[in-house]
Order: sequence, then structure tokens, then C-alpha cells
Amino acid sequence: ETGVTQSPTHLIKTRGQQVTLRCSSQSGHNTVSWYQQALGQGPQFIFQYYREEENGRGNFPPRFSGLQFPNYSSELNVNALELDDSALYLCASSLFGQAPNTGELFFGEGSRLTVL
Amino acid sequence: ILNVEQSPQSLHVQEGDSTNFTCSFPSSNFYALHWYRWETAKSPEALFVMTLNGDEKKKGRISATLNTKEGYSYLYIKGSQPEDSATYLCAFNRWGYGQNFVFGPGTRLSVLP
Repeated sequence: ETGVTQSPTHLIKTRGQQVTLRCSSQSGHNTVSWYQQALGQGPQFIFQYYREEENGRGNFPPRFSGLQFPNYSSELNVNALELDDSALYLCASSLFGQAPNTGELFFGEGSRLTVL
Repeated sequence: ILNVEQSPQSLHVQEGDSTNFTCSFPSSNFYALHWYRWETAKSPEALFVMTLNGDEKKKGRISATLNTKEGYSYLYIKGSQPEDSATYLCAFNRWGYGQNFVFGPGTRLSVLP
């Protein structure tokens, strides 16, 4: 089975620009979550997608948006980038609503975004 | 704001030492507690998924316990090896919040040969 893959691995943007990060779920998973990890902190929940709809959102402004596609892959879009958006963005896929429903998250290696 | 705390923030141990760290979380509306190991330049990988008060899980030299009434979980590593060097994250999930996990800041373990 293929694991979770994310692209790009690294990117540099300037303030005010927009960015799109991509994630391919692990085979057989139907849910994708996105987390932001700033330096020195644990991953912070941004949002989750299930059946192509947002299914929970953390404390992030609307300029953070996402999509989930029929093949369960996902995108995270961030508009009007700010310096504080510099972080590692982790995508995690999981199986929701079907046995075994342990909720275990399977992570990609992340996309490191630097905003100058 | 929900707070998940981990201690210590970091520690260095000698190969062969046993060690343990703590994850503290809110004791209300508990649903699940996960432990993840995150090696440098890799992705976090699940160690344990714990859902019941009193749960004890073991995988090789690593084990974990769970106390949902008082809101803490311990992770133990027996006979640490250099390959155990990683950041260990705990993640808390509440009833009614789907798969919205709140992560602690992690404990960074370095095992010196």
C-alpha cells in the first residue's frame, strides 16, 4: 500500500502571496486532516475533510481553505500569506466511519513553507 | 483553549537507560489518546492508540499507560537504544470533535551511545 505523500517538500513565498499544498492519502483512507507545526510547538489542527466536505476546523482564519477530491487526495490553500504562516504543514489520512475505526493518523513528511 | 502538556521538553539518556515521559490532558469528554514517534526528516508514526481508562499497551521495549480520570498518560522506554532518538508526541481527542486531535508540544529524546 502507498503511504501519504505531500508536495512540494519545501517552498519560499513572500507576504501577500498565495500557496497551494498537495497531499495524496494512503490507499483505502477516506479522511484527510491538515496540521500546522510552528517551531517549538506541537502540530495544530487546521481542518479535516471527509467525503469531500470540511468536517471540523481548528482556530484558523478563512484564508486557510481546502479541498478533497473524489480520489481522497487533498489541497490546502493559504491566501494573503503572513510571516507567521511560516511552518511545517502536515497532512494526515485516516479511516473514518468504518472498522477498524481507531482514528490512527498516517502522516506525510510535510511541506515546509517559508514566508519572507 | 484546550491544553495538552508534555514533560520533560527534552532529555538525554545513555544507551541502556530506561526512561519515561508524561502527557497531561483534560479529563472531561475523553475519547482517545494517541502516542506518535517522530524521527528527524521522517513523518510521525503511531505507537499507541488508547481509549479506555487503565489501558496499558506495549510494543517491544516501549509501553504506555492511561489514566483518563486524572488526565495523564505515561510512555516508558526500557533499555533505550540510539534508534529510539526521536520526538514523542501525544495527541488527545474529545467526544464530539470527530478526528480533531490536540497535540502536545512533544518530548525530544536523545539516546547517547
